[in-house]
Amino acid sequence: EAGVTQFPSHSVIEKGQTVTLRCDPISGHDNLYWYRRVMGKEIKFLLHFVKESKQDESGMPNNRFLAERTGGTYSTLKVQPAELEDSGVYFCASSQLMNTEAFFGQGTRLTVV
Amino acid sequence: AQKITQTQPGMFVQEKEAVTLDCTYDTSDPSYGLFWYKQPSSGEMIFLIYQGSYDQQNATEGRYSLNFQKARKSANLVISASQLGDSAMYFCALRGNTGFQKLVFGTGTRLLVSP
Repeated sequence: EAGVTQFPSHSVIEKGQTVTLRCDPISGHDNLYWYRRVMGKEIKFLLHFVKESKQDESGMPNNRFLAERTGGTYSTLKVQPAELEDSGVYFCASSQLMNTEAFFGQGTRLTVV
Repeated sequence: AQKITQTQPGMFVQEKEAVTLDCTYDTSDPSYGLFWYKQPSSGEMIFLIYQGSYDQQNATEGRYSLNFQKARKSANLVISASQLGDSAMYFCALRGNTGFQKLVFGTGTRLLVSP
């Protein structure tokens, strides 16, 4: 069974550009989470989907970040326009139920220059 | 509010020895879960072990065990018989069982296993 897959693994963009990150959760997992780790700091929650609905988006830093999960399958996280402080590793995780363990993807390392 | 504290930014251990990685937590949820994840240099987050707040026994998974002391609000990870492949970042995380159940992470501990 395939795990959580994230694309791309690395992205380097200039300040002001747009980047879209993609996450394919484990098949059948209704819960999908986005997290971010900025250099040297803790991993922080961004948002949580249950199927295609946003259950909790309290961690989204500002309106430059837009997450979607059309059809309840894969999810995208778009940053537009990117700023230097958006650099970090973006993780996606999925779980079958809300109270079961979450399985993480390998992360997307975003560098904004 | 929920909080995880990992006070050891780095730990060193020799191969085949045991090591304890510290984790303390704070939560007002009556029911919660504690997780440990390993992040090797390749970047992926690997789930290691889970402890529920009402579990009577400490969780164990192979060489990993969780020393859960509820009164002290600590959930230390014990790795027995360390291997070179255990060198990685280790994150402790907390999830309350009320509300939206997001994971709250600590800052991590970098473990280096030497031959």
